[in-house]
This record gives sequence, structure tokens and C-alpha cells, in this order.
Amino acid sequence: QSALTQPASVSGSPGQSITISCTGTSSDVGGYNYVSWYQQHPDKAPKLMIYDVSNRPSGVSNRFSGSKSGNTASLTISGLQAEDEADYYCNSYTSSSLWVFGGGTKLTVL
Amino acid sequence: QVQLVQSGAEVKKPGASVKVSCKASGYTLTGHYMHWVRQAPGQGLEWMGWINPNVDSSNYAQNFQGRVTMTRDTSISTAYMELSRLRSDDTAVYYCARGYNYGPRSALDIWGQGTVVTVSS
Repeated sequence: QSALTQPASVSGSPGQSITISCTGTSSDVGGYNYVSWYQQHPDKAPKLMIYDVSNRPSGVSNRFSGSKSGNTASLTISGLQAEDEADYYCNSYTSSSLWVFGGGTKLTVL
Repeated sequence: QVQLVQSGAEVKKPGASVKVSCKASGYTLTGHYMHWVRQAPGQGLEWMGWINPNVDSSNYAQNFQGRVTMTRDTSISTAYMELSRLRSDDTAVYYCARGYNYGPRSALDIWGQGTVVTVSS
């Protein structure tokens, strides 16, 4: 199973919005509505930010939103804040009850 | 509160095996799948597989087939991941993570603190 494709890095200024894409195939992202997004700060465990494409767990800011079109899922962060600077990973359920992660995107808040 | 507490750091020689534990508290182990994810130094997350603690079934990523075994001991609410025939590129932080609902399609809502495994001669 190949890793999902994410941009290596994105950046934005405080208050702006950014979008991170996650491209897979019809066997993973495109075939199921089970895409999740994780935020990871340095030397910390990942944190679930979005599940099932567009749902936010309790306690996650509504500045984070998710969507999907075809084989590409997206994470949008609006009103960027310094604390949003982190690595972000997408994750998709695939055929054969397996999961696959994206390569990760480093978000820099300028 | 709901949490996963993993065992401590390990140093192993190439060819050896390592077994990492993950103790669940604040919820019933058998009510949620448990996944294992690793992260090599400076690299991204890599999904390894899951175990259904309720019926002791598991499913592993192709990259780890034949080398990984996931088990559980429900009497002490603990899941285990054993990786054999270790190589230097198995050096990584290994995480356990809970599926938020019962079933293999649930995202990972609770993560352990991570266990550093170093493989070196």
C-alpha cells in the first residue's frame, strides 16, 4: 500500500487560511469516507483533529475543517495561530481493512 | 481519564525481537480496536496494524507481515506489539492508539506516549 501524497510544507501568516491536500486512489481516499487528520508537535504524540472526512472531535477548534472530492481529501485551517505550527498527517482506511498515512506536511506560521 | 501508557525505551541488537506493551485505563480494552503506528527519526507516521482485543483477531500492514505479532491480555487491560528479526531501520518511536469506536474503520482518538526502540549492534 503506497503512502498518500501530501505537500511537504505549507505556510501562512497569522489570521490567514491554509489548505493541506491529501491525494490517494479509489482504493483508499476515494473509496471510503474514513479519512482522518492528525496534528503532531515536536516530540509529542499525534492528536486527532478530523475524523470521517469532516467531523471534529470534542475539544478541537472549529477553525479546523475537512473535506473530500474524489481521491483527494483536504484539511483547512482558518484564522491561523502560532500554536497551529506543527506537522499534519492524513490517514485513510483502505481495502482489506488496512490503513495508510500520508507523508506529512510541515505547517509554518510566518 | 482515558489513557494509554506504554512500556519504556528498549535497545536491541539486529536480529533480536522487541515486545512493547500498552496498558489501557479509563475504558474497556475489548470495546475498541487497538492500532500500532511507528515513526522513524525525522520521518512520518507508518501504520503497522490493528488488533481486535474482543476476539483476538488482527490485521497487519504488508510491510510487516511475518515479522509483527499483536496480542492482548484482557485480564490486565494491556495490548502488546512484538516485532522480530529487527534491523537498524526499525529504530523508531512506536505508538499504540485506540480506535474511537468498535470496528476497523475508526480513527485513532487516544494515543500512548510512545516507546523508543533503538536497534544497534
